Order: sequence, then C-alpha cells, then structure tokens
Amino acid sequence: EPEVTQTPSHQVTQMGQEVILRCVPISNHLYFYWYRQILGQKVEFLVSFYNNEISEKSEIFDDQFSVERPDGSNFTLKIRSTKLEDSAMYFCASSEIGTNTDTQYFGPGTRLTVL
Amino acid sequence: KNQVEQSPQSLIILEGKNCTLQCNYTVSPFSNLRWYKQDTGRGPVSLTIMTFSENTKSNGRYTATLDADTKQSSLHITASQLSDSASYICVVILGYSSASKIIFGSGTRLSIRP
Repeated sequence: EPEVTQTPSHQVTQMGQEVILRCVPISNHLYFYWYRQILGQKVEFLVSFYNNEISEKSEIFDDQFSVERPDGSNFTLKIRSTKLEDSAMYFCASSEIGTNTDTQYFGPGTRLTVL
Repeated sequence: KNQVEQSPQSLIILEGKNCTLQCNYTVSPFSNLRWYKQDTGRGPVSLTIMTFSENTKSNGRYTATLDADTKQSSLHITASQLSDSASYICVVILGYSSASKIIFGSGTRLSIRP
C-alpha cells in the first residue's frame, strides 16, 4: 500500500540554524500538508499546499517557515532560523483531491530537536 | 472560540472489553468530524470521517457517532485488543472550501491491559 515517507526521522540542530524537512507524498495525491506536535501537546495545522501554492496557513506558519515542491515528488518544509520552541514532531500528510471529506494520509514524522 | 474537547484524558481497560471515547466541539461552520488513531511516535491514521448528515459510521471494531445538534461525537471500540493501545484524536474541520480550518482535540490515551 502506498504511504507517505519523511526524512530524516530525527534531526538535531543548533538554535539559529536552518533546517529542511523532507516528505514524499503518495504519488497520485495533489494536496499536501504540514503539521507539528510539540511533545505532550495537540497536533497543530501549519500549512496546506496545492498546485505549487500555499492554500492556507495557520498563525504558527510565520516568515521563518516556507514550503516547496522542488522536483515534482518531494515536498519540503524549511525553517530558516530555528528556535528552541520549534522542537516538535513534524508530520507531512497528503490527500488525493483535497475536499473537506477527503482522507489525509500522514507520514511517520520527523522529530526536530533544537539545542 | 473554536474548540474540540475530548474525554477522558486517559483510559485503561482490560483486553476484550469495550470502551467509549467522547468528543465535544464548539465550532462554526462545521464541515465534518474525524477520528484518528495515533500510535506513539507515529503519524495519525484516519479511522472515520462523518459529515453533518451522518449519525454513525463503522470501521471494523470502531464505531463513531455524531450528534450535530448537541455537537458531540463518540468513538466506541468493541472487543479491545492490545494493538488498540494508542491515542485517539478527534478532529473537526471547519468551512466548505479546500482551504479549511482544522481543529485537533488533545486526544484520549487508551491503554489495553492483558
């Protein structure tokens, strides 16, 4: 069964450094999402992406964040200058048609630790 | 304020028993409600999706109910198995366009004991 994959599984970085988290969505899916989950807290929506554009973003997704689909298969989340509070699990998800009732398939997540 | 509240926060039951998890929401405009299962350290996996007009939806041993009038949903797990140990998250989607607001509950941590 096709699945969403994410790399790396764990990323450790120094505060102020840039990180790029990578995701490979399911191949025939058109809508892509990033979520984060700080340890012990709720999953939070960051951004949705369709047709090479951001569809919607939350208040968390400020100028430090950016997303890109660089080559037609990867979907990346870049954090320009990491802060301690960016430490979290970051989940990528994809869906086929992006309607409100479409199932989103989540990847296994990347654990980001900012020191 | 748009909110999704789940109860209980955690639950321990014996293998083979049934249990019911609750979700109350105060959101507008409501589009649909989803239940996800999240194993520790993994991404959420969709169990059910229900729109305003659906009262019940089943997925194997999982049955979700929705009362749109009282803004309550429940997830009933029948004949629990050890592999059911996970967090169960209620998610409510607002709006009707593809760019919709997504509100997650805090989850119920379910532990199944042999």
